Amino acid sequence: AQTVTQSQPEMSVQEAETVTLSCTYDTSENNYYLFWYKQPPSRQMILVIRQEAYKQQNATENRFSVNFQKAAKSFSLKISDSQLGDTAMYFCAFPLINAGNMLTFGGGTRLMVKP
Amino acid sequence: GAVVSQHPSWVICKSGTSVKIECRSLDFQATTMFWYRQFPKQSLMLMATSNEGSKATYEQGVEKDKFLINHASLTLSTLTVTSAHPEDSSFYICSARDPSFETGGPADTQYFGPGTRLTVL
Repeated sequence: AQTVTQSQPEMSVQEAETVTLSCTYDTSENNYYLFWYKQPPSRQMILVIRQEAYKQQNATENRFSVNFQKAAKSFSLKISDSQLGDTAMYFCAFPLINAGNMLTFGGGTRLMVKP
Repeated sequence: GAVVSQHPSWVICKSGTSVKIECRSLDFQATTMFWYRQFPKQSLMLMATSNEGSKATYEQGVEKDKFLINHASLTLSTLTVTSAHPEDSSFYICSARDPSFETGGPADTQYFGPGTRLTVL
């Protein structure tokens, strides 16, 4: 069974600083994708970034980047120059390829950006 | 980017009534949609996978007769909570899979609707 674990239930960071959210997963697959989703207070799930496991280069999207360590099955999200609008729940997600790509979510990390 | 809508955004109903929630992919065709349930301060729990033109696949512990899913077209899936009770009160979120994101890729990106808050009195 595939599992996704986010070990940090809550985190806080000062505005303009950098924060890293961790995620580990377990799978027997070799080729897969990983996702980070953001859920702000509006509760709309927003795709932040995705990483293809077959790519060695870490994905980046503006202030968001990942540190993907395939051997360690680690997929952390780094947010640079944190902004107040980054305050949200962040979920790491892993699709089950043999189950219609349904997503398995981690428990989430609640990030608070402080002014 | 791909947009998924849900309607209604918030519904309050009396115990015993049925409530229908619609999920639409607005600018792409989705052969597969997913329905999630989320309790306060918790992660999303997958309820069922909705496949266009076929029966939904329900996760273990989800009552099929309680949560009726219909995926009648490539852009619409509906979740009907039948004979709703207060314990069914929750936040329901749908997502739609965009198969055209990257042809040949092993997985496709899911886009989420804004969610529906159901309150059963």
